[in-house]
Amino acid sequence: DTAVSQTPKYLVTQMGNDKSIKCEQNLGHDTMYWYKQDSKKFLKIMFSYNNKELIINETVPNRFSPKSPDKAHLNLHINSLELGDSAVYFCASSQDYFQGASTDTQYFGPGTRLTVL
Amino acid sequence: QKEVEQNSGPLSVPEGAIASLNCTYSDRGSQSFFWYRQYSGKSPELIMSIYSNGDKEDGRFTAQLNKASQYVSLLIRDSQPSDSATYLCAGAYSGAGSYQLTFGKGTKLSVIP
Repeated sequence: DTAVSQTPKYLVTQMGNDKSIKCEQNLGHDTMYWYKQDSKKFLKIMFSYNNKELIINETVPNRFSPKSPDKAHLNLHINSLELGDSAVYFCASSQDYFQGASTDTQYFGPGTRLTVL
Repeated sequence: QKEVEQNSGPLSVPEGAIASLNCTYSDRGSQSFFWYRQYSGKSPELIMSIYSNGDKEDGRFTAQLNKASQYVSLLIRDSQPSDSATYLCAGAYSGAGSYQLTFGKGTKLSVIP
């Protein structure tokens, strides 16, 4: 029943490791996003995907790579993890592109708390 | 630089009072604004969205938008302890056929029983 789901919920790993976080949405939405929320609770967009195409790529390190096998999934791969990568990562989805002044709700997953030791 | 500014608080109000949360934004091109509520350890959930100047009411919540002043607010009437959370203001910015949300840093609200 969960609209946007993420796995794992918690991820603890050593510096230098490579890890992945998976996201799935069953809402039939066209666009999916990855956000990072730091220890000060600041939520910042990292990537978004629409119909399997990357449409926004913020200035994040290229160690982070989003991969979308289909419209319902957007996974986040992180190579060579660093201490500063510790944060909560949220996946989100929305129905469609922004069009004029229309509103378009983003639905968030439960988050993945990543701790790099 | 598209920025959304919020007073980080904490904002404390007694139960039953009106809580007023404020937000300003820097980019006049932003079209839509959203208020999300985030409980500790949980994900953000949408409370209100607004894209026209004026007020929009939904139950105990009223969102206000003033594009000339680049100001967005959220009023919570008859505040309840269950309203205690961090409230995130976000502006939607369009570009290249898509949009993104830029979030403020959030205001922590505590409703005192």
